[in-house]
Formats: sequence, structure tokens, C-alpha cells
Amino acid sequence: GIQVEQSPPDLILQEGANSTLRCNFSDSVNNLQWFHQNPWGQLINLFYIPSGTKQNGRLSATTVATERYSLLYISSSQTTDSGVYFCAVERWSGGSNYKLTFGKGTLLTVNP
Amino acid sequence: SAVISQKPSRDICQRGTSLTIQCQVDSQVTMMFWYRQQPGQSLTLIATANQGSEATYESGFVIDKFPISRPNLTFSTLTVSNMSPEDSSIYLCSVSFTFEAFFGQGTRLTVV
Repeated sequence: GIQVEQSPPDLILQEGANSTLRCNFSDSVNNLQWFHQNPWGQLINLFYIPSGTKQNGRLSATTVATERYSLLYISSSQTTDSGVYFCAVERWSGGSNYKLTFGKGTLLTVNP
Repeated sequence: SAVISQKPSRDICQRGTSLTIQCQVDSQVTMMFWYRQQPGQSLTLIATANQGSEATYESGFVIDKFPISRPNLTFSTLTVSNMSPEDSSIYLCSVSFTFEAFFGQGTRLTVV
């Protein structure tokens, strides 16, 4: 199956700092999403981004499908950004079966 | 998008007992998904639940341990049977709309 590697595994920032999280995947994908898991365990959709660039406020993401990686940028980080960031991908076989493969995540801690 | 409600949000259970987790979606969906997240780990797909047919289980998960019901297009249950401490995890249900996955708030299960 497809492999998803995220880096760094852990990241500690001071409030206001910027950061870049990376997701590498082992094969071409048809679906890629970024999620934020808050300290209470809920997964929040950040981006659906199988290719290209998207921005939403202080967050932006870029996926370079031909080179099999995606980047999540967080600018002017806030303490509420703390949590685990997951990248998840899907490779279709004869159409989508909607099954996502998750990376191990990046644990982000933003200190005040 | 979708609003997905899971119940209970957390529970502490005795080993050897069973717990049924409910998942309610505010829209009709063909497939619902159940994931497990063991402590400090990533998400792993347990099974896909289609309305009107048996659930499809991923490798390493069996129906006797994780029976699933899907009585209609907006509701599903996952039962964790004959629990042991190794079953302590967050269990999440998920649906997809136009290839984008959305998750319930999760059920945090502790088995003692």
C-alpha cells in the first residue's frame, strides 16, 4: 500500500512564529487532505488539496503531485494551533473507495 | 460538508464488556467509515459500512470483535466487544462528500 511520511514528528514554536509541515507519499495520489486534531481528539478538515495551492487565513497548503509531496504552512502561529496535524492520502483503483491512508502526524506545540 | 454526531464522547469500561458507539450524520450518505486511533498513534481504518449490506473489514479487524450496523443512510453503530485494555483508543466515524472526508468528534474509550 501507499506510504505516507510526515515531518517533523514534533515541533515547538513561540507564539507568532511561522512553520512548515511536510508530507511525502510513496506513489501518485488522487486525494490528499490535511487535518488538525485538537487536544480533545476531534479532527478538523483544513484542506482538500490533491494538487496546487490553497490558502485559508493564516494557513496555506501546496501539493506538488509530480514530486509526491505536500506542504502545510502556518503563519503567525497561535496557541490554539497546538495539536496534531495529519496528512491523509488516497490512491484510486478503478475509482474512489474513499479510503484514506494517514501519516503519523506532526505534534505542534505553540507556547505563549 | 457534514455534521457528524458521535455518542458517547468518552467512556471507561471494564474488561470483558462491550460498548456500542453511535454515529449520526445530518445528510444521507452511501458509505460510513470507522477508524481507530490508539494512544499516540495515527488513524487506522477498521471497516466501511454500507447501508443494506455487510460491512467490509480491513486486514486485522474482524466482525466478531467489531460488529457494525448500518440500518439507514444517516446512522451507524460500532460495537467493541469483549474489551481488553489494548482496545483503549479513540474511535472515530467518518463520511465523505465529493472525496473530502469529515469526522465525528470521536469516542475516547478507556478499558480498565
